[in-house]
Amino acid sequence: AQSVTQPDIHITVSEGASLELRCNYSYGATPYLFWYVQSPGQGLQLLLKYFSGDTLVQGIKGFEAEFKRSQSSFNLRKPSVHWSDAAEYFCAVAYRGSTLGRLYFGRGTQLTVWP
Amino acid sequence: SQTIHQWPATLVQPVGSPLSLECTVEGTSNPNLYWYRQAAGRGLQLLFYSVGIGQISSEVPQNLSASRPQDRQFILSSKKLLLSDSGFYLCAWSASAETQYFGPGTRLLVL
Repeated sequence: AQSVTQPDIHITVSEGASLELRCNYSYGATPYLFWYVQSPGQGLQLLLKYFSGDTLVQGIKGFEAEFKRSQSSFNLRKPSVHWSDAAEYFCAVAYRGSTLGRLYFGRGTQLTVWP
Repeated sequence: SQTIHQWPATLVQPVGSPLSLECTVEGTSNPNLYWYRQAAGRGLQLLFYSVGIGQISSEVPQNLSASRPQDRQFILSSKKLLLSDSGFYLCAWSASAETQYFGPGTRLLVL
């Protein structure tokens, strides 16, 4: 069965510091991979996605993520965090070939940014 | 461009009352539609999905139901709400079996 693990429930960083949020998946083949962000009381916004090709993908708001097949990981990074990045971040995977595209989500990582 | 709407934004309902949450999508045709529930500290749970008008699939047994009366309209309902139905309900759409785009959500509090 597919599963997505975000090992860090809560991360605190100082504004201007670099950020890496971890995501590992359990799946027999390379899935579609996504990162979403959710601000309090709002819906999920797509940050970036990986389907194929270059394993380093760029997203919105200065975020990037790198797919590492050998580690079954898709970690999200940002070189310099802004206070407005404080939110909850969700990693998700989808099964290739599914007519539905069901998403499997991690439990989320809450990011706090200190001024 | 495509947009997704949900209403109401917030709802407070007594236990045992009915529920109707609405989701509509603009700017696309024949989308896949999804209802999720997000309870505090429990991540996102897929409740229902639909690949076309009148086609609803349920992921988990519960006292909720969903309907899709029109191509771009998805409704979540209940005849009698339970306390455990409280949560944040998110609707999402996708044009294919790939990327899902989420609505702003509805906060439901059952008292």
